[in-house]
Amino acid sequence: ELKVEQNPLFLSMQEGKNYTIYCNYSTTSDRLYWYRQDPGKSLESLFVLLSNGAVKQEGRLMASLDTKARLSTLHITAAVHDLSATYFCAVDIGGGADGLTFGKGTHLIIQP
Amino acid sequence: DSGVTQTPKHLITATGQRVTLRCSPRSGDLSVYWYQQSLDQGLQFLIQYYNGEERAKGNILERFSAQQFPDLHSELNLSSLELGDSALYFCASSPTPAGGIGYTFGSGTRLTVV
Repeated sequence: ELKVEQNPLFLSMQEGKNYTIYCNYSTTSDRLYWYRQDPGKSLESLFVLLSNGAVKQEGRLMASLDTKARLSTLHITAAVHDLSATYFCAVDIGGGADGLTFGKGTHLIIQP
Repeated sequence: DSGVTQTPKHLITATGQRVTLRCSPRSGDLSVYWYQQSLDQGLQFLIQYYNGEERAKGNILERFSAQQFPDLHSELNLSSLELGDSALYFCASSPTPAGGIGYTFGSGTRLTVV
C-alpha cells in the first residue's frame, strides 16, 4: 500500500524567511504533484513533477523530485503572508490505477 | 474557475437519507475521479471513471456508488448516510486514464449529515 508522509504538518514562520516542506513516499513512482488549498476551498495545482531530478519554480515556490530517495521537497523563499495555506503532496503510482494518494498536508501560517 | 463544475456546493441532510453529487469534467477530459476530504481521514481517493467505464476503486464504501454518463458528467450517490459521511467531496478530471499531466479539481460539495 502506498503511503505518503509530509513533514512538518504544521509550520508557523515569519515573513522573509525560507523553509522547506518534505514529502516522502513508500512505493516507486516518478509522478508527484503539489497542491495548495485555502480554507474551505478547492485544490489548486502548483507543480507536476514527472521525472527523477525534476525541478520546477513558480515565484517564491520551488519543488523538486528525487525518485531514488522517494522524496520531494517544496521550498519557500522569502515567505510572504499570501502564501499562508495548506500544502499537499500527492503521488500517482502510474496508470492512474489508484488515483492520487495524498499526504496529510502541511498547514503553513506566515506571520508579518 | 478550474473548468470542473460540481453541484451542489453545499448539502445538508439527515442520517439514513440518500444524496447525489454531480460533476462535469473540464472540456476534453475523459477521466473523472472522486475524492473525500475529512478531518480524520484526510483526502482519500474513492473511484475513477474513464469514458463511461469504471477504471479504479479506492476506499469507497458499499453504500456509495458512482457512474459516468455518455456526456461524461459523473454522479456520486451516497446512501444510508451516517454522521461520519460528513465531508468535502471533490471531483477531479484529467484528459487521460492515467493522470500524468495533471488532475484538475472542482470546488467541491460540502456534505453535512445531521
